[in-house]
Amino acid sequence: GQQLNQSPQSMFIQEGEDVSMNCTSSSIFNTWLWYKQDPGEGPVLLIALYKAGELTSNGRLTAQFGITRKDSFLNISASIPSDVGIYFCAGENSGGSNYKLTFGKGTLLTVNP
Amino acid sequence: KAGVTQTPRYLIKTRGQQVTLSCSPISGHRSVSWYQQTPGQGLQFLFEYFSETQRNKGNFPGRFSGRQFSNSRSEMNVSTLELGDSALYLCASSSQGLAKTQYFGPGTRLLVL
Repeated sequence: GQQLNQSPQSMFIQEGEDVSMNCTSSSIFNTWLWYKQDPGEGPVLLIALYKAGELTSNGRLTAQFGITRKDSFLNISASIPSDVGIYFCAGENSGGSNYKLTFGKGTLLTVNP
Repeated sequence: KAGVTQTPRYLIKTRGQQVTLSCSPISGHRSVSWYQQTPGQGLQFLFEYFSETQRNKGNFPGRFSGRQFSNSRSEMNVSTLELGDSALYLCASSSQGLAKTQYFGPGTRLLVL
């Protein structure tokens, strides 16, 4: 199936640094979502975005829904060791008969204490 | 409130066999969605069941099927297993069926030999 282009694939940073990752698509989505997955567990929703231009924060996390509706980014400020994990973006089009939910391949984040 | 549970957690099968995976949603949730996660393709949406009816479907062959029971528990079946079906199969439950309200289970890791 179609994939979102998520970058970077992996990041290795020092504790306290800020992190930025993004997703782009050739298709328009009406919802963008960001998830974190820890080893051996299912993804956990971090932030959901519902309209173009929307900027939403959840603690040290900030995400934005791109104006074109074809992209989104996630920023993590002042990273800590427990931020380690895989971060996924997802685009969703709901309503009507053409439901679509597409995921990026993930960004593996490693934080060095 | 108990989370989403999936059984079994690990499974080994051989090519040509069939497999049935089970998912018990969070109490009160009527929607169950299934996903396949592989290193190569990432997370891909399989299908969603709501009140015992398949409501949305991803782009997978007919060998992948599912059903939902009156208590909202869901099963996913894969027939004529192929090596490429080796993956982590995740289910997620939701009260509304939209990705923003989903809670994921820990997954069933299937290895096809």
